[in-house]
Amino acid sequence: KQEVTQIPAALSVPEGENLVLNCSFTDSAIYNLQWFRQDPGKGLTSLLLIQSSQREQTSGRLNASLDKSSGRSTLYIAASQPGDSATYLCAVILPLILTGGGNKLTFGTGTQLKVEL
Amino acid sequence: EAGVAQSPRYKIIEKRQSVAFWCNPISGHATLYWYQQILGQGPKLLIQFQNNGVVDDSQLPKDRFSAERLKGVDSTLKIQPAKLEDSAVYLCASSLAGSKLYEQYFGPGTRLTVT
Repeated sequence: KQEVTQIPAALSVPEGENLVLNCSFTDSAIYNLQWFRQDPGKGLTSLLLIQSSQREQTSGRLNASLDKSSGRSTLYIAASQPGDSATYLCAVILPLILTGGGNKLTFGTGTQLKVEL
Repeated sequence: EAGVAQSPRYKIIEKRQSVAFWCNPISGHATLYWYQQILGQGPKLLIQFQNNGVVDDSQLPKDRFSAERLKGVDSTLKIQPAKLEDSAVYLCASSLAGSKLYEQYFGPGTRLTVT
């Protein structure tokens, strides 16, 4: 059974700081890995999706890396801003081997980030 | 392009009552998912539909939860009777079958409080 862990559970940093969020998973036979952002009372917004053949993806101030052999992914946020305050979730994606089926996401418990002025 | 729509956004009921949630996926998305997210945890898949057929419902508590997707578009998730531990956010997501990444797009969720 796939287990996904995120450390730390909560993080508070001053504005402008660079930070790293960690995600680890137990089964390396994943397909892709995806990072999401969740704001209070809202759904999930996809940030970055790393395919299993890739090692990293970048979007603006965000960079996500994937090391399947060690079962780890990191999300790097550069020059953090108060608007980055949210809960960040990683999800490992396993292919659902059924006719016409989609993929199955297993989520971590999330890291609650607060960026202070 | 309109996103995934869900209603209601909030619902408060007493234990042993019934409740239903509605989801309208992105147009053309054949795959629809319902997740349960308990406070402080990540979302957990309850059920996955491909068109109007169930692909995976292994984590759906079938003694009290049911879901349907008539005509392969909208879906409803029902809880009957509700328990205190059902208090959670229920998220609906959809993805485009046949796309390489099967990326899932999430709705805003329905926050259920059972008292």
